[in-house]
Formats: sequence, structure tokens, C-alpha cells
Amino acid sequence: AQSVTQLGSHVSVSEGALVLLRCNYSSSVPPYLFWYVQYPNQGLQLLLKYTTGATLVKGINGFEAEFKKSETSFHLTKPSAHMSDAAEYFCAVSAENAGNMLTFGGGTRLMVKP
Amino acid sequence: GAGVSQSPSNKVTEKGKDVELRCDPISGHTALYWYRQSLGQGLEFLIYFQGNSAPDKSGLPSDRFSAERTGGSVSTLTIQRTQQEDSAVYLCASSVAFSGGREQYFGPGTRLTVT
Repeated sequence: AQSVTQLGSHVSVSEGALVLLRCNYSSSVPPYLFWYVQYPNQGLQLLLKYTTGATLVKGINGFEAEFKKSETSFHLTKPSAHMSDAAEYFCAVSAENAGNMLTFGGGTRLMVKP
Repeated sequence: GAGVSQSPSNKVTEKGKDVELRCDPISGHTALYWYRQSLGQGLEFLIYFQGNSAPDKSGLPSDRFSAERTGGSVSTLTIQRTQQEDSAVYLCASSVAFSGGREQYFGPGTRLTVT
């Protein structure tokens, strides 16, 4: 079984400040990890993913995340927030033996203050 | 190229009626997934199809829910005798394969409101 916990349902940062969205997962097999972003009234868009190899992965719009197996974490960061980053962010896990269906965290709504 | 499309974008129905939600995946994608997004339950997996294999229905919440995929392409999610707790956004996603951590591409969703 797999599960994902996102700490903080709402995060507020100032424009230009560091963005840090936390994600911890539980998986009995090697996980695949994803971050998706959802803008209002839209579907989900992939930001980045970890499958194998390099543990620091870079995604679109300047986001990156680091897979830390020892901490079972996959936190999302961006050095400098833009107003356009305001959205809801979902961390998700899947696994090879589970048909690759995604198990999502509860989501974090990011607000960016001018 | 064209992404995943879903129809209708919005559906309002009366309690007890049946509804059909449609998903057109990206051409050539063999894997198709349905998820539900609701305020109370977040994002939940419902069902997935892989090629001609039997679908994995393990996420369907009740026997009122069913889905089919015709010709390995278009999929329809049917909810019979709708209840108010079925109100949610139903998201469809497709993937080039069901293994290897492949990216799932999501449609815009169908917002279902049961009155």
C-alpha cells in the first residue's frame, strides 16, 4: 500500500521568496514520485517526476525536488516565487506493481503575496 | 497535438438519475485512468484500463459505478442512481504505458453536481 502526506494545506509566501512544499510518502516497493500543479478549473499538469537515477530532479517553471529515501521525502522547491505560481500542488506516488495508478496527497494551496 | 478531452465539462443532474461521462485520451496512449476529486476525499483513483487487459476496478466506490473503454480509445464512466455524495470533479488521464512511472496526462475534468 502507498500513501502520501503533504504538510500544510495552505502555504503563503511573498513574491521573490523561497517556495518549499513538503511531501512525505510511504511505499512498500520502490516508488515513482510526482508533483502536479492544478490551476483553477483546470486539470493537473506535471511539474516533475522521479523514477530512477539522479535524486535531484528539475521540472518546469523553475521547480525542483529531491528524493530522499532515508527521509521518505520528496519536497518541492523554487528559489524565487512568482505571482503566476499561485495554484494547488499535489504530490503523488505510484509503483511498478500497482499499475502505475497515482496515490495523491491532500494538496497544498500556494498563495503568493505581492 | 491534442490533449485529453472530457465531456461534458459540467453536468447537473437530479438524485437518482444515471449519468455518463466521456473521455477521449491522447491518440496512441494505451493506459487510461479515471480519478475523482472532491472536497471531502481529495483525489482518488477509480479505475484504469491497459490495452485489452481486464480493467482494474479496485477504486470504484460502489457497484453504481462502471466504466468501459471501446476500441482501446474512448472511455465512458457511468454512474447509476446518482447520489449527492457523487458530486465531484471526475478527471480522466492517459499514459503511453502503464509501467515505468510514465507521465499521466490529465483532461480538464467533468464537474458533476447532483441536486
